[in-house]
Formats: sequence, C-alpha cells, structure tokens
Amino acid sequence: AQRVTQPEKLLSVFKGAPVELKCNYSYSGSPELFWYVQYSRQRLQLLLRHISRESIKGFTADLNKGETSFHLKKPFAQEEDSAMYYCALSPAAGNKLTFGGGTRVLVKP
Amino acid sequence: NAGVTQTPKFRVLKTGQSMTLLCAQDMNHEYMYWYRQDPGMGLRLIHYSVGEGTTAKGEVPDGYNVSRLKKQNFLLGLESAAPSQTSVYFCASSYGWGQTAFFGQGTRLTVV
Repeated sequence: AQRVTQPEKLLSVFKGAPVELKCNYSYSGSPELFWYVQYSRQRLQLLLRHISRESIKGFTADLNKGETSFHLKKPFAQEEDSAMYYCALSPAAGNKLTFGGGTRVLVKP
Repeated sequence: NAGVTQTPKFRVLKTGQSMTLLCAQDMNHEYMYWYRQDPGMGLRLIHYSVGEGTTAKGEVPDGYNVSRLKKQNFLLGLESAAPSQTSVYFCASSYGWGQTAFFGQGTRLTVV
C-alpha cells in the first residue's frame, strides 16, 4: 500500500533562515509527487510537482528514489511562507491521490 | 471561473441525522475525490471517482457513501452521522493520474 510520511508536525524558523520539510513515501513503482500548500483561510493549492522540476516561490523539491524522499526546501524563509504544507503521491498504477499528515510552518519575524 | 465548489460551507448535525455534501466542478475533470482533514491526521481519502458512474473506496470509507451520476458532481452522503465524523471535508478534482488536483473551500461539519 502507498503511504506518505511527513515526520514534522510543526517547523518554526526565523525569517531569512533556511527551511526544509521532510517527506518520505513508500511505493514500489514510480509515483508522481506533489507539494500542496494551505494558507490561512484559503483552500489547498498546488505548490509544485516533481515532474515539472520548477521552483515556485523560491521552493524546490528533489526526488530521491533511493531514499524514497521528496523533501521541500527554501533557502530563505519569508513570513508569507507560514502555512500548512502537504506532500502527496499519485501512484503509477491506480488512482488514489494520497497525502501525508502535513507540516505546519511558522516563520517568525 | 468557479473551479471546485462545495455546498454547504458549514453544518451542525445531531447524532443519527443524515446529510449530503455536494461537490461541483466546472473544469470537465474526470477524477474527483473526497477527503477529511483532522488535526494531526492530515488529509485522508474517503472515496474517489475516476469517471461518471464510477466510485471507489479510499482509506476511511466506513460511514460514508458517494455517487457520481453526473461528471461534474460528486456527492458524499452520511446516512447516520456520528461524532467521530466531525471534521473538515474537502473535495478535489483533476484531469487524471499525475495531474494537479484542484480543491474546494471545505465544509466544516460538526456532529453533536
């Protein structure tokens, strides 16, 4: 069965500091991986996808198939990055879009 | 451009009552999903659909039923509500596998 694990429930960093959100997955095939973000009082929205390999709002994520990880990084956190972040997996076979437990990021001034 | 719309936004139910949550999307998406969001649990998949007339169980389907009679609508039903079903419910839709999912604004349900 596929599973997505985000080990940190809360990350608190100061503005300008680097931030890294961990995401580990278990799936035997080649999944498509995503990071979604939920800002306060807003709906979930896509932050970035593995397949597009782009940087959004300064965030990047690298897929490490050996470690089955898809960690999200930003070198200099901003206060507007405070939000709930979810890692998600879409399997190669089957159609379930599975989310991790989420990590709340708090960027302090 | 409405995207994904959920109805209602808030609801309070008494234990044993029934209700239906409606999700409507105007993007001609094939896939639709229902999730519940609980503190510390993240988003858990209840049911999903890969096309009109099809539904499938997710991680936590017990106590819920769904229907996809029209491509644009995905209904989530609670036949006999329980306090454990107090949660925020999110609907999402996507074109297909590996595609971006678009979310509704959520429905906050309280069962007393």
